[in-house]
Amino acid sequence: GQSLEQPSEVTAVEGAIVQINCTYQTSGFYGLSWYQQHDGGAPTFLSYNALDGLEETGRFSSFLSRSDSYGYLLLQELQMKDSASYFCAVKAAGNKLTFGGGTRVLVKP
Amino acid sequence: EAQVTQNPRYLITVTGKKLTVTCSQNMNHEYMSWYRQDPGLGLRQIYYSMNVEVTDKGDVPEGYKVSRKEKRNFPLILESPSPNQTSLYFCASSLSGTPYEQYFGPGTRLTVT
Repeated sequence: GQSLEQPSEVTAVEGAIVQINCTYQTSGFYGLSWYQQHDGGAPTFLSYNALDGLEETGRFSSFLSRSDSYGYLLLQELQMKDSASYFCAVKAAGNKLTFGGGTRVLVKP
Repeated sequence: EAQVTQNPRYLITVTGKKLTVTCSQNMNHEYMSWYRQDPGLGLRQIYYSMNVEVTDKGDVPEGYKVSRKEKRNFPLILESPSPNQTSLYFCASSLSGTPYEQYFGPGTRLTVT
């Protein structure tokens, strides 16, 4: 089966940088996705990495190292609206998608 | 407007009373999926469908059924709900036949007493 580990909570101040790590164990790795979910809302897609390296999308970047079974989501220039839960997810064989337990990010003024 | 819709949004029912949660997408997406979300457990995939008449089990399929008779619809059926199926349910879809970039519906909060 698959398993993903990510920290349960991170607190930072506005303008700071936060890195959310995700380590995974899976048979047949195909890619790592990241989703954001605000309280009371639905998850929204942020990024996807299939190959090693850094993908940048505005203030958010995502990194993958397949050899280390590790990825991270980098949130820069934190804003209050970035307070949310962030989930990493891996696709394994058969098109199943398995999510990590989520990291709650709290941004303080 | 491109969207995934779910109905009902809230449902309280009793043990053993069959129910269906509907899911519909207007984006002509091939891949559709159902998840449940419980505190501390994140999102867990129940079933997914690669296309019409093609469905497969996710990580927690026990106690659930699905069908994909039309591309736009993917209902979730609980034939005999039990209290441990009390949860927040999300339907999602993605354009490609893979689950990488999924669009989620607003969620259905189900309580089984």
